[in-house]
Amino acid sequence: DAKTTQPNSMESNEEEPVHLPCNHSTISGTDYIHWYRQLPSQGPEYVIHGLTSNVNNRMASLAIAEDRKSSTLILHRATLRDAAVYYCILRDRLPTNSGYALNFGKGTSLLVTP
Amino acid sequence: NAGVTQTPKFRILKIGQSMTLQCTQDMNHNYMYWYRQDPGMGLKLIYYSVGAGITDKGEVPNGYNVSRSTTEDFPLRLELAAPSQTSVYFCASTGLAGARQETQYFGPGTRLLVL
Repeated sequence: DAKTTQPNSMESNEEEPVHLPCNHSTISGTDYIHWYRQLPSQGPEYVIHGLTSNVNNRMASLAIAEDRKSSTLILHRATLRDAAVYYCILRDRLPTNSGYALNFGKGTSLLVTP
Repeated sequence: NAGVTQTPKFRILKIGQSMTLQCTQDMNHNYMYWYRQDPGMGLKLIYYSVGAGITDKGEVPNGYNVSRSTTEDFPLRLELAAPSQTSVYFCASTGLAGARQETQYFGPGTRLLVL
């Protein structure tokens, strides 16, 4: 199974950009990189995903290294509501080979201070 | 469109009791999943279903059972509750499983305490 490595925690000031790193050195050529986040006492929610090119959406940007062995989730202006655990995920093929399951590690706990 | 809903939100069980955690989605998704999350840890897959009538084990299935009689519902059954099953349980669904770009939608979770 492909694995990811993330720092346990990071801290940011409100309204400043945040760069959350992720290493995935064993990624295969067809693996998408997914990011989810989990706000306190809530279920995980999708943030962004990408394959090779940098991606942007209304929540964040995803910068993917040229060799695809690492990526960075970018929150352009952190708010207090962005305080959450952020998971960088490479999915696992289901045992029946019929789809995928999300392989959650411990993620990065982001603290945002006013 | 409510998305994925779970009941109850919180439950305390005594050792040996049984209960069913309910999960319903209104997005007509074929794939549904049950995960558990222990304190300070990521989520682990318990069971999944690729459609009505089809279920299979995930990473940590022992002590649990599931059924999928309709597309919308995917209940998780605990037959003999044990303290090791104290956890937060999340149900999720996706409509594009098999596609590499699928995203999963999660419910709010059920917090279970077994004493």
